[in-house]
Amino acid sequence: ETGVTQTPRHLVMGMTNKKSLKCEQHLGHNAMYWYKQSAKKPLELMFVYNFKEQTENNSVPSRFSPECPNSSHLFLHLHTLQPEDSALYLCASSPGGPSSYNEQFFGPGTRLTVL
Amino acid sequence: AQSVTQPDIHITVSEGASLELRCNYSYGATPYLFWYVQSPGQGLQLLLKYFSGDTLVQGIKGFEAEFKRSQSSFNLRKPSVHWSDAAEYFCAVGVDSNYQLIWGAGTKLIIKP
Repeated sequence: ETGVTQTPRHLVMGMTNKKSLKCEQHLGHNAMYWYKQSAKKPLELMFVYNFKEQTENNSVPSRFSPECPNSSHLFLHLHTLQPEDSALYLCASSPGGPSSYNEQFFGPGTRLTVL
Repeated sequence: AQSVTQPDIHITVSEGASLELRCNYSYGATPYLFWYVQSPGQGLQLLLKYFSGDTLVQGIKGFEAEFKRSQSSFNLRKPSVHWSDAAEYFCAVGVDSNYQLIWGAGTKLIIKP
């Protein structure tokens, strides 16, 4: 595998379910990001990890819980989601720490539908 | 507050025609500027970026962009589009005071055969 991979690619869940999204980067990067992409809206940064430490949580509801066990893996644990949480969830990584000028490398995303 | 505007939600261009996608930003100093492309079912890929120096930047896939400080713009151009260019294009801005990128809402490019 190369680049940034995400699993699953599609997920349908009920509002009472618990599920997890997985991201893995094979680039040796130190910063990893979770974004939410909704139709016709700018990308929303959710969480940032730098060397496994969470450095940003953009007022994300607690029903989203990130986990970064090492610099290569990032998870997003989901529970009691709402239909408005349906979106494409993108993972990204960048070399060095998070910065405003480092290129971010994106995975293909997980298309989440909450029923 | 910083912001990025992509005025066109979608643009339709004939194959072989030229393309210009608009991006305007609001920021007091010179920001870091990016264009990313997202093909259907894919994540975003960097096309090009501007940090300083020559205001005309060359990127991958034959794209270029020009930074115009007086207009706070960073428009993306391609002289002749191919059907494979059909995708969504995102402009993003980075500022020194905050490592988070500020994203535009995207422009969807449709190619007519």
